[in-house]
Amino acid sequence: QQPVQSPQAVILREGEDAVINCSSSKALYSVHWYRQKHGEAPVFLMILLKGGEQKGHDKISASFNEKKQQSSLYLTASQLSYSGTYFCGTGTGNTPLVFGKGTRLSVIA
Amino acid sequence: DAGVIQSPRHEVTEMGQEVTLRCKPISGHDYLFWYRQTMMRGLELLIYFNNNVPIDDSGMPEDRFSAKMPNASFSTLKIQPSEPRDSAVYFCASSLRLEIYGYTFGSGTRLTVV
Repeated sequence: QQPVQSPQAVILREGEDAVINCSSSKALYSVHWYRQKHGEAPVFLMILLKGGEQKGHDKISASFNEKKQQSSLYLTASQLSYSGTYFCGTGTGNTPLVFGKGTRLSVIA
Repeated sequence: DAGVIQSPRHEVTEMGQEVTLRCKPISGHDYLFWYRQTMMRGLELLIYFNNNVPIDDSGMPEDRFSAKMPNASFSTLKIQPSEPRDSAVYFCASSLRLEIYGYTFGSGTRLTVV
């Protein structure tokens, strides 16, 4: 079953922060985050596994609440290059990823 | 590594014609996935392979769709006959493992059936 992402779209000014949420009705083992720019392929950002720690690098980080089957992606001090559509992909343990419909992020100057 | 390579990048075909999409995964990756992306449905898994063996094709929409992986470095997705509703971007992706490693996507094939 497809995870639900929110919001569907968000517009930010450079330097602002954003949070993108991903929620599943199934017990999750893994949550992946990807970013896709227009006309390009999705690019892997990070993975969170059940029992693992919050991940992050630079100004993009993520958390995984195993009890609620939810993950959040945090983008701080956004840059123009952060623009794109963000997808979460979820797995339930030895299953391929099922992707949400995406959150379109637009960062403006 | 050159990444996952897909061909062609764009395909325009007439309804009823056969279409073949091609994919070369990253060397050493055990898993290969075919996804279809549309505005309405997002990224949908069509089929995936493990060590060249098809594991789950339940996402293949109809018998008109078929996929093969004759060796570790090549896979095809075939649609015969094609229909306008098949128009979408088809992505191939590969990974070392099913869930605990990230997926690397190819550049995709934008298919338009007229």
